[in-house]
Amino acid sequence: AQTVTQSQPEMSVQEAETVTLSCTYDTSESDYYLFWYKQPPSRQMILVIRQEAYKQQNATENRFSVNFQKAAKSFSLKISDSQLGDAAMYFCAYNEAGANSKLTFGKGITLSVRP
Amino acid sequence: EAQVTQNPRYLITVTGKKLTVTCSQNMNHEYMSWYRQDPGLGLRQIYYSMNVEVTDKGDVPEGYKVSRKEKRNFPLILESPSPNQTSLYFCASSPGWTSLEQYFGPGTRLTVT
Repeated sequence: AQTVTQSQPEMSVQEAETVTLSCTYDTSESDYYLFWYKQPPSRQMILVIRQEAYKQQNATENRFSVNFQKAAKSFSLKISDSQLGDAAMYFCAYNEAGANSKLTFGKGITLSVRP
Repeated sequence: EAQVTQNPRYLITVTGKKLTVTCSQNMNHEYMSWYRQDPGLGLRQIYYSMNVEVTDKGDVPEGYKVSRKEKRNFPLILESPSPNQTSLYFCASSPGWTSLEQYFGPGTRLTVT
């Protein structure tokens, strides 16, 4: 079974600085997708960024980018120019390509942003 | 507006009293699923449905039932709730069972005393 590990329960960043959230996963599949979801205090699940395993290029969405290391099974999220609105819980998630749309989530990390 | 709705948003109940959490989507999605979120465990899939009348267990199905009689609705039923089912529940839908686009509902906070 696939597993997703987020080993840091909490992180803090100064506003306007850069922070990196770590995620590792374990799978025997070669084709899969990885995601970062943001959950603000409203509890809504918001997709931040997605990476296809077959793509070597790291995904980028505005201030959010990933460092995808397939061989190491590592998928970290970098938030640049952190803003107060970035404060939330962040979940790393895995989906096996071509299978059930089920997402396997990590435990999450709580990010706080200091003004 | 395309959305997934859940009702109720908050519920406090007692052990053994049957309850239903409704989930509805207006996007004509085929695939729907339920997750529960617990501190330190992330989200875990309870049940999913690939289409009307087709449902299957996820990772943590014990104590739950579902039905999919209409494409838009996917209720979660707790026939005899217990305190260990106190959790935050999310319904999600996607266009197809292999689709990468997942739309989450707003969540239902359930407390069982």
